[in-house]
Amino acid sequence: GQNIDQPTEMTATEGAIVQINCTYQTSGFNGLFWYQQHAGEAPTFLSYNVLDGLEEKGRFSSFLSRSKGYSYLLLKELQMKDSASYLCAGSNDYKLSFGAGTTVTVRA
Amino acid sequence: EAGVAQSPRYKIIEKRQSVAFWCNPISGHATLYWYQQILGQGPKLLIQFQNNGVVDDSQLPKDRFSAERLKGVDSTLKIQPAKLEDSAVYLCASSTERAGEGYEAFFGQGTRLTVV
Repeated sequence: GQNIDQPTEMTATEGAIVQINCTYQTSGFNGLFWYQQHAGEAPTFLSYNVLDGLEEKGRFSSFLSRSKGYSYLLLKELQMKDSASYLCAGSNDYKLSFGAGTTVTVRA
Repeated sequence: EAGVAQSPRYKIIEKRQSVAFWCNPISGHATLYWYQQILGQGPKLLIQFQNNGVVDDSQLPKDRFSAERLKGVDSTLKIQPAKLEDSAVYLCASSTERAGEGYEAFFGQGTRLTVV
């Protein structure tokens, strides 16, 4: 496996900000993906980081530190529809492996 | 652009029976993945193809699972014989090239397998 670790669950209020952390194995690392998965549906792509730094895409931003084997996904201005599982996925030696996912629950 | 197609959507079988899943990736996508997702867990990579060659099958239980990708396009995943612990959603995904080169994987709707 790729030893991808992320928290199991997070809860936040509508309009708030939530940060989902992810650590991964650095050996053979190519890049880091974030996917969103609503219950009963297939994962959909959110972001890809290969260089250190922050990538912003609307309400969602993703950060990568290659030297630390660390990434986070930042969700701003949370909406009820953001309630989903967020999957951190690492590409090592060109194989794509997922973490267990973080279930985010947005409350009114 | 048509997405990744999978069939069947649902399958219920008895333990020790055989089952096969089919996947048609997005046209032109060289990389094809099969994942197993057990309820409440993240997708687990079973096998990854690059065209019709296997990139990784280290987590494929080869005593009962097999997969092939004929002519580098469609793929089938077979389980023979099935066990209760094989109950899961089987997701097929494809990407233009390898994931490590920044190409996102597009997922099909999955096949939900229940082994009773």
